[in-house]
Amino acid sequence: EPEVTQTPSHQVTQMGQEVILRCVPISNHLYFYWYRQILGQKVEFLVSFYNNEISEKSEIFDDQFSVERPDGSNFTLKIRSTKLEDSAMYFCASSVSGIPYEQYFGPGTRLTVT
Amino acid sequence: AQKVTQAQTEISVVEKEDVTLDCVYETRDTTYYLFWYKQPPSGELVFLIRRNSFDEQNEISGRYSWNFQKSTSSFNFTITASQVVDSAVYFCALREYGNKLVFGAGTILRVKS
Repeated sequence: EPEVTQTPSHQVTQMGQEVILRCVPISNHLYFYWYRQILGQKVEFLVSFYNNEISEKSEIFDDQFSVERPDGSNFTLKIRSTKLEDSAMYFCASSVSGIPYEQYFGPGTRLTVT
Repeated sequence: AQKVTQAQTEISVVEKEDVTLDCVYETRDTTYYLFWYKQPPSGELVFLIRRNSFDEQNEISGRYSWNFQKSTSSFNFTITASQVVDSAVYFCALREYGNKLVFGAGTILRVKS
């Protein structure tokens, strides 16, 4: 069964460093998403991406964040200058289309900022 | 504004007991979609079910069943004859027009043998 994959599974970085989290969505999916989950808290939407542009973003997704689909398979989230409060599990998701289709999530990347 | 409330923070049951996880949502839209996801200890989010606001039929899938009631804005999830492998965090989520899922805080289910 096709699945969303994410690399790395765990990333440790120092405050102020840039990180890039990578995702490979399910191959025939057209919509891509990033969510985050701070330890013990709810899952929060960051951004959605369709047709090579951001279609929606939350207030969390400020200028420190960017997304890109550099080729036909990868979807990346870049955090330009990490802060301690960026420590979280970051989930990539994809869906075959927009509403109403369900989003399938990857296994997550745990980001630890020290 | 969208809101999803899962009032049960944690539930513990003994194997083979039935358990119901509650979900109450708030929305101004007449068309919306509700979801349940499971997050096992390994951490991934596993899609379980999607429900459209215009379809109030209850659904059963094996030991899982879902009760959607628009009158009370609830979308509850029942596991029949629970098993240890059901131990996980269960999230209810809402989607209106737009792309984002709004998640509830989750309910931790512990099933003891």
